[in-house]
Amino acid sequence: QKEVEQNSGPLSVPEGAIASLNCTYSDRGSQSFFWYRQYSGKSPELIMSIYSNGDKEDGRFTAQLNKASQYVSLLIRDSQPSDSATYLCAADGGSNYKLTFGKGTLLTVNP
Amino acid sequence: KAGVTQTPRYLIKTRGQQVTLSCSPISGHRSVSWYQQTPGQGLQFLFEYFSETQRNKGNFPGRFSGRQFSNSRSEMNVSTLELGDSALYLCASSRQADNEQFFGPGTRLTVL
Repeated sequence: QKEVEQNSGPLSVPEGAIASLNCTYSDRGSQSFFWYRQYSGKSPELIMSIYSNGDKEDGRFTAQLNKASQYVSLLIRDSQPSDSATYLCAADGGSNYKLTFGKGTLLTVNP
Repeated sequence: KAGVTQTPRYLIKTRGQQVTLSCSPISGHRSVSWYQQTPGQGLQFLFEYFSETQRNKGNFPGRFSGRQFSNSRSEMNVSTLELGDSALYLCASSRQADNEQFFGPGTRLTVL
C-alpha cells in the first residue's frame, strides 16, 4: 500500500515564527508532490507543488524535496494566525492517475 | 477563470436511498478525481476519469460509481446508502490526474 505519512499534530507556533511541516512517502516512483491547505469546513486549496530535489520558494512558503530520503517539507515563514489550518501533503503514484494524500497536520499559529 | 463547482452543497438522505453528486471541472481540465473525506480516514481516493474513461478506482464497494460526460463534467452515484457514507465528497480537476489538482467546495452528505 503506497502511503504518505504526516505528523497529525497539532503543531503550535507563535505568530512570526517559522512553521515546519513534514511528510514522507513510500512510493519511489512518485515524481510530483503537493501541499494543500484546508481551513475547517472548507475544501483543500493548493498552495505549493514541487517536482525536483531542492527548495522551491513562493512568498512566505518554501517547499523542500529530497527524493533519496523520500521526504517533503513545507516551511512557512513569519507565520500568521490566518495560517492556522490543516496542511495536507500529496504525492502522485507514478502514472497511476491518482494522488495519495497524507492525513494532514493541524497547524495553530498563536497571536 | 471559474473554479470547480459541485452540486448540491448539502444533502440529507436516509439509509437505503441513493444519491447522485455532480462536478463541473475548470474549463480545459479533462481529468476529474473524486475523494471521500471523513475525520478519521482523511482524503480517500474514489476514482478518476479522463475523457469519459475511468482510469483508476479506489478501494470502495461497488455501491460507489461514477461517470464522465463529453464536456468533462462528472457525476458520482452512491446506491443503498449506509450510515458510514456520511462524509464530505470532493471532486478535483486537473489537466492530468498526477498534475496539480484543484478542488471544488465539496458536497456534505449526511445519512440518517
